[in-house]
Amino acid sequence: KNEVEQSPQNLTAQEGEFITINCSYSVGISALHWLQQHPGGGIVSLFMLSSGKKKHGRLIATINIQEKHSSLHITASHPRDSAVYICAVSTNTGNQFYFGTGTSLTVIP
Amino acid sequence: NAGVTQTPKFQVLKTGQSMTLQCAQDMNHNSMYWYRQDPGMGLRLIYYSASEGTTDKGEVPNGYNVSRLNKREFSLRLESAAPSQTSVYFCASTLTVGDEQFFGPGTRLTVL
Repeated sequence: KNEVEQSPQNLTAQEGEFITINCSYSVGISALHWLQQHPGGGIVSLFMLSSGKKKHGRLIATINIQEKHSSLHITASHPRDSAVYICAVSTNTGNQFYFGTGTSLTVIP
Repeated sequence: NAGVTQTPKFQVLKTGQSMTLQCAQDMNHNSMYWYRQDPGMGLRLIYYSASEGTTDKGEVPNGYNVSRLNKREFSLRLESAAPSQTSVYFCASTLTVGDEQFFGPGTRLTVL
């Protein structure tokens, strides 16, 4: 049973394209997190959100609590956006984090 | 600030050997976590420490022990390594439980 499901697993886009990555979860959450993992392995936090929408540069994250769904959008994609994007949730019933398996994004020049 | 640091970066063990992975953070965070990352699977929580002096099991604790040495340091010990523990291990910290996570660079462990 996967508490967090992401789609697609792999995504290839041309530079400049608008990209959407989806995340669904099945547990009660206190917050949803979007993380980025570069080919070198380092993991950085992009967003933490519990409602609505957040924007940082060309990245936008939205969450619909009722539908238990979140999306990460990248506008005007660039090759440097190539990475694995991971959705995670922190639960509201305990001190647990659950992670999706990640979406591998490749942006071609 | 160094953020979250982990040592070693790489390690090869033989089955049955023991080792300790070290993690330290300099952000005055209260909560710390150990994860493993395996191909095709998401990060899985091994153990966490919500605050100094407390530790709790996560999703996959078997074969591991942890010590929250002080507020800065959280170590992960493999008492008798097994090939199934071959993985990349990440340490992370948060200001409070469930907050934004800051990750260390990871330790790639191979058990032969």
